[in-house]
Amino acid sequence: GQNIDQPTEMTATEGAIVQINCTYQTSGFNGLFWYQQHAGEAPTFLSYNVLDGLEEKGRFSSFLSRSKGYSYLLLKELQMKDSASYLCAVRYDKIIFGKGTRLHILP
Amino acid sequence: NAGVTQTPKFRILKIGQSMTLQCAQDMNHNYMYWYRQDPGMGLKLIYYSVGAGITDKGEVPNGYNVSRSTTEDFPLRLELAAPSQTSVYFCASTSGGHSNQPQHFGDGTRLSIL
Repeated sequence: GQNIDQPTEMTATEGAIVQINCTYQTSGFNGLFWYQQHAGEAPTFLSYNVLDGLEEKGRFSSFLSRSKGYSYLLLKELQMKDSASYLCAVRYDKIIFGKGTRLHILP
Repeated sequence: NAGVTQTPKFRILKIGQSMTLQCAQDMNHNYMYWYRQDPGMGLKLIYYSVGAGITDKGEVPNGYNVSRSTTEDFPLRLELAAPSQTSVYFCASTSGGHSNQPQHFGDGTRLSIL
């Protein structure tokens, strides 16, 4: 199968930095997406990685290591509105999602 | 820009009833997907399509059917609704198989089977 693994839940403090990891099976890999999903809403696109390295977009960055089958999403200067689920999705011949990581932000 | 439109937004069905969840996109995207999301879980792929006339099974296709007669529309059919199909259903589209373009999601259909 094409298992995609993420931690189920994480907690961090407002203003801090948090890293959400994602591991996946490397065979057939064609790219990796990170999405944010607030409760009761549709996922929204955050980032895309297909080459090794770090992609930075404001407070959010995403890293990929294709040889290790590993990615992480880094959120800086956390705000209360960042409380959401973060979904890692990998493009094989189709796009498969991980179960998501619920991020709780404490004041 | 409408993007991806799903109807209905909410529906309650009785066990054994059938219904079609509608999905339409106006972005001329070739790839379309149906996912279900159970409470507190990620998205599971039901069916997907790489273009009009072409469909393929995802991770959890049992109990569902799809068709893709046009580029714009990708309806999902439940023939004999079961309580296990209670879920939120998301339709998504994207422009190409190896593109860096992300999926665009509809707002979802919340379906309860009682």
